[in-house]
Amino acid sequence: DIVMTQSPDSLAVSLGERATFSCKSSQSLLSSSNNKNYLAWFQQKAGQPPKLLISWASTRESGVPDRFSGSGSGTDFTLTISSLQAEDVALYYCQQYYNTPRTFGQGTKVEI
Amino acid sequence: QVQLVESGGGLVKPGGSLRLSCAASGFIFSGYSMSWIRQAPGKGLQWISYISHTSTYTSYADSVKGRFTISRDNGKNSLFLQMNSLRAEDTAVYYCARDGPATDDNWGQGTLVTVSS
Repeated sequence: DIVMTQSPDSLAVSLGERATFSCKSSQSLLSSSNNKNYLAWFQQKAGQPPKLLISWASTRESGVPDRFSGSGSGTDFTLTISSLQAEDVALYYCQQYYNTPRTFGQGTKVEI
Repeated sequence: QVQLVESGGGLVKPGGSLRLSCAASGFIFSGYSMSWIRQAPGKGLQWISYISHTSTYTSYADSVKGRFTISRDNGKNSLFLQMNSLRAEDTAVYYCARDGPATDDNWGQGTLVTVSS
């Protein structure tokens, strides 16, 4: 199974400041057939199901604010919130869907 | 809009069985693969099973293989998870999720399964 490791486990950022956190996979998520990275980011607020924010490492889902951006390739990925808002307090998970079983990182908790 | 509603969770004794359902609406259910993903209390996310849109292909996490069975009824827009030989470590909120163009793009609110004597 592909192991996903996120860092840090938690992060406190002031309102309006940038939040950046990392996800590393135990093997490359870059497909040679389509040059796409099979990496997604999810946001989970307290008491809610996860919400898909970004797929293919950097493609925002419809309706996701542009302050959220994903980057990286191969085994190293980053999610950045350019200007943290109060509503961004949540757990953030990365997920690889390169192969089965799909696996998640342990999550990064973002606080104000 | 896409809606997924899970049901069937509850309290069950170790070794018991439970059948979860997921009612889908707002999209062409028969055109999408589906997954079950669970989250133990205070823990992270664990993918546990997947079924292709025509039920041709299914896949399971090692932790549930041989005990859980995923199925679907495209005529009734429904997804199911039959869970047998339940263990304490199966205690979790179980989510159904639609497999979009990339990955799990819509999730239900989840149903809680508690395995305890």
